[in-house]
Amino acid sequence: GDSVTQMEGPVTLSEEAFLTINCTYTATGYPSLFWYVQYPGEGLQLLLKATKADDKGSNKGFEATYRKETTSFHLEKGSVQVSDSAVYFCAPYNQGGKLIFGQGTELSVKP
Amino acid sequence: DTGVSQDPRHKITKRGQNVTFRCDPISEHNRLYWYRQTLGQGPEFLTYFQNEAQLEKSRLLSDRFSAERPKGSFSTLEIQRTEQGDSAMYLCASSLQGPNTEAFFGQGTRLTVV
Repeated sequence: GDSVTQMEGPVTLSEEAFLTINCTYTATGYPSLFWYVQYPGEGLQLLLKATKADDKGSNKGFEATYRKETTSFHLEKGSVQVSDSAVYFCAPYNQGGKLIFGQGTELSVKP
Repeated sequence: DTGVSQDPRHKITKRGQNVTFRCDPISEHNRLYWYRQTLGQGPEFLTYFQNEAQLEKSRLLSDRFSAERPKGSFSTLEIQRTEQGDSAMYLCASSLQGPNTEAFFGQGTRLTVV
């Protein structure tokens, strides 16, 4: 079945460091791909998305590129802030009509 | 519209009791999803509706779980004869139909079975 593998956390970085969170997936066809974020005490919210191969989604300084050949959708940010501390979830939208979530990667940014 | 709302936010129940949760989606959204999330894990799909029709139910879902969306608006998720393993956060999300549309999540209902 469809599945997602994310880089294990927790990831601890200093402010202004470069961030990469790896995500690879297995799915039928070419699903739309999403990154959701869960800030402490809050609900899941969409961070960015890409709907076809080579698309780049971006938001709040985060970026991710849909790589069909490697079935990956890695999340990057050039300079993280303390306020980026959260749990990040990679999620393809499968042909069955639903999001399939990875296990999440916790990011902690220290000042 | 204030987004997806779930009620209650917290529920503590004794093993063997039945519980029911409610989700009110964003009003124009025709799709409604239920997920379960345990500590340190990503949300696990339970079931989803398009309007009032339940289109898919996870094979992992015990027959003690049932969900309804009688008029295509709010939804309820009932768990009968609760077990300690049911303790989790139950998330509801809604969206418009289509693979490129954003799903909006509620704050969740945290269930603790003692």
